[in-house]
Amino acid sequence: AQSVSQHNHHVILSEAASLELGCNYSYGGTVNLFWYVQYPGQHLQLLLKYFSGDPLVKGIKGFEAEFIKSKFSFNLRKPSVQWSDTAEYFCAVKNKAAGNKLTFGGGTRVLVKP
Amino acid sequence: NAGVTQTPKFRVLKTGQSMTLLCAQDMNHEYMYWYRQDPGMGLRLIHYSVGEGTTAKGEVPDGYNVSRLKNQNFLLGLESAAPSQTSVYFCASTGGRQNTEAFFGQGTRLTVV
Repeated sequence: AQSVSQHNHHVILSEAASLELGCNYSYGGTVNLFWYVQYPGQHLQLLLKYFSGDPLVKGIKGFEAEFIKSKFSFNLRKPSVQWSDTAEYFCAVKNKAAGNKLTFGGGTRVLVKP
Repeated sequence: NAGVTQTPKFRVLKTGQSMTLLCAQDMNHEYMYWYRQDPGMGLRLIHYSVGEGTTAKGEVPDGYNVSRLKNQNFLLGLESAAPSQTSVYFCASTGGRQNTEAFFGQGTRLTVV
């Protein structure tokens, strides 16, 4: 079965620090990869997505992610975080072999201290 | 654009009561999903549907039933609510092909006492 792992459950940072959140998935074939963000009390919103092409994907709010096929990874980065980036971040994977079901990682709760 | 709409937004149930959560999408998406979100456990797939009249089990289907009678609606039912079903429930929809993203509803916060 398809699985997604996010290794960091909680991250605490100061403003202007750099952020990197890890995401690994289990399936080796063609995949769609996503990062979603959930701000406190809100629903999930798409940060960025990878379907094909350039493995370095840029999303909203200064976030980017790099798809490394050989490592089954899709790590999320932001060079300089702001207090408003405090949220929970979810990596998700979809692939045809798994019926295009969307499978989520366990989430990483990020707290940015002002 | 309404996108994905869930009703109700909040509900408190007593143990043993039943209820139905409604999800509606207006994007003509083939796939619809119900997830539950619990602290430290991410989003876990309860049931999903790949088109009108179809349903399939996800990771945590026990205690829930679903129906997809119309393409735009996906209902999640709890026949006999238990405290373990206290959670936030999210509905999502997506196109059935590869290279499509999912859109989420606002969530339903359910408390079973």
